[in-house]
Amino acid sequence: DGGITQSPKYLFRKEGQNVTLSCEQNLNHDAMYWYRQDPGQGLRLIYYSQIVNDFQKGDIAEGYSVSREKKESFPLTVTSAQKNPTAFYLCASSIGRDSYEQYFGPGTRLTVT
Amino acid sequence: DQQVKQNSPSLSVQEGRISILNCDYTNSMFDYFLWYKKYPAEGPTFLISISSIKDKNEDGRFTVFLNKSAKHLSLHIVPSQPGDSAVYFCAASGSTGNQFYFGTGTSLTVIP
Repeated sequence: DGGITQSPKYLFRKEGQNVTLSCEQNLNHDAMYWYRQDPGQGLRLIYYSQIVNDFQKGDIAEGYSVSREKKESFPLTVTSAQKNPTAFYLCASSIGRDSYEQYFGPGTRLTVT
Repeated sequence: DQQVKQNSPSLSVQEGRISILNCDYTNSMFDYFLWYKKYPAEGPTFLISISSIKDKNEDGRFTVFLNKSAKHLSLHIVPSQPGDSAVYFCAASGSTGNQFYFGTGTSLTVIP
């Protein structure tokens, strides 16, 4: 069954700790994306990657880092520099350039106290 | 600055009637528009799309209308069903499709 997996569904961390959110896809998609959703707001793009070993900053990349060592994996690290890390994080993928439809994972709700 | 706006946070409609969800955008370079449906604690799922060369796209009960001069698009659901109750996001992208801008969502409740 093809799809996008994000784990865990809920994550709790203490302030000052880095935390890595997992995103895996078996759709053979070239492009992958990380979004953040806050209450009453739309999805905001953190980072995206069109191909392996390449990624670009989105609108709110500060305090986050990513890697794309494998086509199927695009982990997101929320660093201690991110001032408001508590949010719902969504990973998505698409076939690649010129493909507009994005497929989303179930999301990870991160709570930092 | 919000480039894609959904000014109605919520909408309630009787089952069987039409649901109309609206979306406005500010960037005239946007070329492609999508609607996503989202249930609580789940990721959004793609619903329907439209490119700027069209003014209407239909898929079953769902129709999206695009008015480029007004920078406005709308999603019509006819007839509305209780299972349509969800949050609907519109999204827009330029021609490269690298970056999408999402609206804040409209929560639709279809009353049986």
